[in-house]
Amino acid sequence: EVQLVESGGGLVKPGGSLRLSCAASGFKFSDYRMNWVRQAPGKGLEWVSSISSSSISIDYADSVKGRFTISRDNAKNSLHLQMNSLRAEDTAVYYCARLDYYGSGSLETILDYWGQGTLVIVSS
Amino acid sequence: IQMTQSPSSLSASVGDRVTITCRASQSISSYLNWYQQKPGKAPKLLISGASSLQSGVPSRFSGSGSGTDFTLTISSLQPEDFATYYCQQSYSTLTFGPGTKVDIK
Repeated sequence: EVQLVESGGGLVKPGGSLRLSCAASGFKFSDYRMNWVRQAPGKGLEWVSSISSSSISIDYADSVKGRFTISRDNAKNSLHLQMNSLRAEDTAVYYCARLDYYGSGSLETILDYWGQGTLVIVSS
Repeated sequence: IQMTQSPSSLSASVGDRVTITCRASQSISSYLNWYQQKPGKAPKLLISGASSLQSGVPSRFSGSGSGTDFTLTISSLQPEDFATYYCQQSYSTLTFGPGTKVDIK
C-alpha cells in the first residue's frame, strides 16, 4: 500500500525557517517525481515544488522561488522541503504528492497519491 | 496557465445531476484532471485526461471537454459526494482551479 506521511510542520515566526519531511513507503520511491502542494486555510490548492526521481530536474512556484528548497533522499525514501524567510502567506497545510503518468506522453501526469498533510503556521 | 471554475459553490439534493465547469486561460488539449476533497482530508484523484475515470471511482462521475472548456458531471448526487472539487492542468507547470464546493440543499 502506498503511503506518504508528512512531518515537520508547526508554528514559526515571520522570517523563520522550517524543514518539512515526507516519508514514502509501498512503492519504489526512486522511480517517481515528487511534489509539494499547499492549501492555505479555507483556500484552494497551490502547487509549490517538484523534484524528479534523480533530483536532476527541480521546479518551484514563483511564490516560493529563492526561499524554499526541495530535496530527496532515495536511499531513505524521503522527500524534504526546506522553507526559509517564511511569511504569513506561507501559512498552509503542506501535502507531498506522487506524480505518475496515465499515458505515454510527458504531459499525461496525475498526482495519484497524497499524504495527510502537515500544518505550517507563520505568525508572530 | 490560469484555471477558473464555475460555480464556486452550489447547493444540491441527493439524486440531483450536478455539472461543474472548468476553463483554462489557453488550450491545454485534454491535459486536465479532477480531484475531490473532503474537509480535513487530502485530495483524491477522480478523473485524468479530461474523461478517464480512475479505478474505484463510481460511474456516476464523468468528465468531458478539450481545449479550454471542461466539465465534471455527477449524474445522481450521493451523500458521500458532498465535497469540494478541483480541476488541475498538466499542460505546463501544474495549476489548480479555485474549487467548487458542493453542499446539501
